[in-house]
Amino acid sequence: KQEVTQIPAALSVPEGENLVLNCSFTDSAIYNLQWFRQDPGKGLTSLLLIQSSQREQTSGRLNASLDKSSGRSTLYIAASQPGDSATYLCAVLPGAQKLVFGQGTRLTINP
Amino acid sequence: DVKVTQSSRYLVKRTGEKVFLECVQDMDHENMFWYRQDPGLGLRLIYFSYDVKMKEKGDIPEGYSVSREKKERFSLILESASTNQTSMYLCASSYLSGQPTSAHGYTFGSGTRLTVV
Repeated sequence: KQEVTQIPAALSVPEGENLVLNCSFTDSAIYNLQWFRQDPGKGLTSLLLIQSSQREQTSGRLNASLDKSSGRSTLYIAASQPGDSATYLCAVLPGAQKLVFGQGTRLTINP
Repeated sequence: DVKVTQSSRYLVKRTGEKVFLECVQDMDHENMFWYRQDPGLGLRLIYFSYDVKMKEKGDIPEGYSVSREKKERFSLILESASTNQTSMYLCASSYLSGQPTSAHGYTFGSGTRLTVV
């Protein structure tokens, strides 16, 4: 059974720092991996999707990497801003069409 | 852009009421999903559907049912609402399988915060 783990559960950093969020999964047989952002009381917004054949994807200040062999993904946020404060969720899509989510990392960027 | 629209952002219902949560997507996705999200428990799948009139139970289907009469619409029904169903409910959609799903992933709605009193 696929399991997804995100460490740390919470992270607080000063504005301007570069930071890395981690995601690990137990089964390397995945179609893709998605990173989502969730603001308090809101839905999930897709940030980046990495297909199984890809190693990384970039969008603005965000870069996500995927290493299937080691079962790991990282989300790199450059030059963090207070508006980046949110919960970040990692999810993998195995062959059964149903996403498997991590528990999320709650990120706080301090001005 | 794919849009998934949930009809209500906030709902307050009484114990025992029958509650309908509606979700509509506009990108011709085959799959649609209902999740609930609770602090400390993460996202849990209630039901999903891969075609009109088709449904499959997720991890926590008890106390819920669903309806999918049209491809774009997926309804979650709480037959007799209880206080332990107070939660954030999230709808999502995706392509059926293979390359489209691999390339496009899931799209979520903005959520419905349901309070049962």
